[in-house]
Amino acid sequence: QSALTQPASVSGSPGQSITISCTGTISDVGSYNLVSWYQQHPGKAPKLMIYEAWKRPSGVSNRFSGSKSGNTASLTISGVQAEDEADYYCCSYAGSSVVFGGGTKLAVL
Amino acid sequence: EVQLVQSGAEVKKPGESLKISCKGFGYSFTNYWIGWVRQMPGKGLEWMGIIHPGDSDTRYSPSFQGQVTISADKSISAAFLQWSSLKASDTAMYYCARQNDGYDYGDWGQGTLVTVSS
Repeated sequence: QSALTQPASVSGSPGQSITISCTGTISDVGSYNLVSWYQQHPGKAPKLMIYEAWKRPSGVSNRFSGSKSGNTASLTISGVQAEDEADYYCCSYAGSSVVFGGGTKLAVL
Repeated sequence: EVQLVQSGAEVKKPGESLKISCKGFGYSFTNYWIGWVRQMPGKGLEWMGIIHPGDSDTRYSPSFQGQVTISADKSISAAFLQWSSLKASDTAMYYCARQNDGYDYGDWGQGTLVTVSS
């Protein structure tokens, strides 16, 4: 199956809100609320930020939120901070397999 | 505390075989699927497949089916990823991760860097 589609990069100034989109198909994002989001800093393992489309794991800042509409999921970071600069990946269940997005690099200006 | 500890970095030649490991600590290893994820240099995450250590039920991404073998040994709480004949294009960081019920990955290993070069 094809990777989910994410913008290659987004940017924001400290304190602004940014949204990263993740577009799939009816075979993955569109059929299941099993979308997760990961943050990855250079040289580090990915970290789960959102699961089941909008749920936040314990310990993750409430500045991070997730949503889904149709075949597109979104990750919103409210009040972006310098430490949020990283790569972000969406991921979706696709019926017996899992597919990641291509990743989005967030630059905090 | 849940921990996934992966084996160390490997440097191999094309055509050689390799088996890397991922050991789980701090939870019941047989109750959770373990997934493997590839990250080629400077590139994104790619889902390779998963295994249920309890019964060794295994699922592969179509992209990796036939290219790698995923296995597990529940007696030592370990999952494995192996190649029978490495290629230069297998050079990548490989992560294992524990899969939750929602097909998300809350716990990750530290990664194993595999370098294949003549």
